[in-house]
Formats: sequence, structure tokens, C-alpha cells
Amino acid sequence: KAGVTQTPRYLIKTRGQQVTLSCSPISGHRSVSWYQQTPGQGLQFLFEYFSETQRNKGNFPGRFSGRQFSNSRSEMNVSTLELGDSALYLCASSPVRTYEQYFGPGTRLTVT
Amino acid sequence: GENVEQHPSTLSVQEGDSAVIKCTYSDSASNYFPWYKQELGKRPQLIIDIRSNVGEKKDQRIAVTLNKTAKHFSLHITETQPEDSAVYFCAAPESSGNTGKLIFGQGTTLQVKP
Repeated sequence: KAGVTQTPRYLIKTRGQQVTLSCSPISGHRSVSWYQQTPGQGLQFLFEYFSETQRNKGNFPGRFSGRQFSNSRSEMNVSTLELGDSALYLCASSPVRTYEQYFGPGTRLTVT
Repeated sequence: GENVEQHPSTLSVQEGDSAVIKCTYSDSASNYFPWYKQELGKRPQLIIDIRSNVGEKKDQRIAVTLNKTAKHFSLHITETQPEDSAVYFCAAPESSGNTGKLIFGQGTTLQVKP
């Protein structure tokens, strides 16, 4: 099976702009989780979608949002970008009712 | 919710030596403990995991041990090789039965010197 894919791989945005990142899970996986990775904070959970519904949410401001489509692909959106949003954004997909998560290559977001 | 602490933050070993990374968790109901390896510029990869009904699991040169009483689990790498150099993360579910949210340790940078 093809692995988790994420687009775009790199993004440079300016403060105040918004951005949308995309994640395509492994075929058959219905859960998609998003994480933010920074050198100082490590891997921080953003949210998880399952069957087009947000099932879990982390401690991030409302500027961070997401959605999932009927084919399990997921997008996350960050509005009003801040310098501190510069990070690697990783998504991970899981089969139903298992804990294993498989990560995509990530999107490197730089906010200037 | 769950809290995961990981030690050490950096570890340097000679090729052929063993490496041990330890994580502690706070929720005694946690029942799944994965380890991820992240090479520079790559995605985190699941390398081994253990469930709370077993005490040890091995896969070639890597093993994970779990001590439920003390609430800690460890990654053991034997006969280390330069390609083992990477950042290793431990994790646990935010709560038992919650399959969508993992809480990660802060990571251990392992350097294997040839």
C-alpha cells in the first residue's frame, strides 16, 4: 500500500496570511491525526478526525482548524499566521480501532 | 490526561555498544506504548510497540520492556550501528481506549560513533 502523503512539502507564508495543508491517509485508514513538531516543543497533538468528525482536539488556538472528507483525506487550516506557527506539520493515519499511527513526510511551514 | 517523560535527551555510544532510552508515564490505565525513530529530514517511523499485557517484546536488535508497576517502559538497542543514529520518541495514548491521540516524549537524539 502507498504510505501517507502530504502536500505541499514546503511552504513559506507571511504573518497574517492563512494556509491549508493536505493529508491523504493509507488506503483503508479512516482516522487522521495532525501533529505540530518544533525543536522546542517536540510533537504536539493538534486534532484527530474519524469518519469526517473531529474526535479529539489538542490545546491549540481556534486559528487551527481541520476537516476530513468522505474519502478520509484531511486538511488543516491555520488562519492569521504568526511567526510561532513555523513548524513541521505531520499527519498520521490509523486503521479502525487500533493505536498504531503511521506518519506522512510532513509539511514544513515557514512564517516570515 | 497522560504525561510522558523521556530520558536522556541525548545519548552518544560507540558502534557495537548498547543504548537504552527510558520513558515514564502518568496514567496507570495506559495500555499501548510505541517507539518511533525519526532520521534527519524524515518522517517518524514506528519501529516497535508494546501492549500492557506483555512485559517485553523483541525485534532483532531492538527490544522494549514495560514495567507497569513503576509506570515506565524502555527501548533497548543492541549492537548499535551508525544507521541507528536518529531521534527516538516514545508515546502513550492520551487515555485508555483513545486510539486517535498519542502523547509523545520529548525525544532522544542517539548518536552512534563509528
